[in-house]
Amino acid sequence: DVKVTQSSRYLVKRTGEKVFLECVQDMDHENMFWYRQDPGLGLRLIYFSYDVKMKEKGDIPEGYSVSREKKERFSLILESASTNQTSMYLCASSREAGILTQETQYFGPGTRLLVL
Amino acid sequence: GQNIDQPTEMTATEGAIVQINCTYQTSGFNGLFWYQQHAGEAPTFLSYNVLDGLEEKGRFSSFLSRSKGYSYLLLKELQMKDSASYLCAGTDSWGKFQFGAGTQVVVTP
Repeated sequence: DVKVTQSSRYLVKRTGEKVFLECVQDMDHENMFWYRQDPGLGLRLIYFSYDVKMKEKGDIPEGYSVSREKKERFSLILESASTNQTSMYLCASSREAGILTQETQYFGPGTRLLVL
Repeated sequence: GQNIDQPTEMTATEGAIVQINCTYQTSGFNGLFWYQQHAGEAPTFLSYNVLDGLEEKGRFSSFLSRSKGYSYLLLKELQMKDSASYLCAGTDSWGKFQFGAGTQVVVTP
């Protein structure tokens, strides 16, 4: 079974703090993704990575950065947390898609972040 | 983006059938996924359609019409445990996902 783990289920931080959210997958997947999920807005892509040391901006990258130094680990960094970054953060991973195929994404349990 | 559109909420009784519709913009579209998400949990994969037609998996079926930019998820013989949010997601040729806001299905006794 694919397992995607996230470092914390719940996190409370203060405005201006630097926040690290860690994600680890154990299936040697090439692709990793960070989303945030807010009521009524669904899942929105923040950043994704197709390989080690590679990163691509998603739809809402502002205020975030990422790091992928090892294949199994993808970190999301909030350089200076703000209250509008209070959200549920979900990490996902998938195998590399083929020319005619798509691969499902496997999600971690999520980190519910509250910024005060 | 693909502007995925799905209803916010649907209610049905145990044993009934519910159909969740999803529409998307066809430009750059590759395939369509459906996920189930119980409250406080991660989304889990239900189905994937890339060709037109119906894919059946037990009580759940998913349909795709590429020309109409339309998909639906059909849940048959509803059970209480099917109460969850159902997410429609379109993918492009790069494998990037665009999720809808989710449809909350409430199953009543």
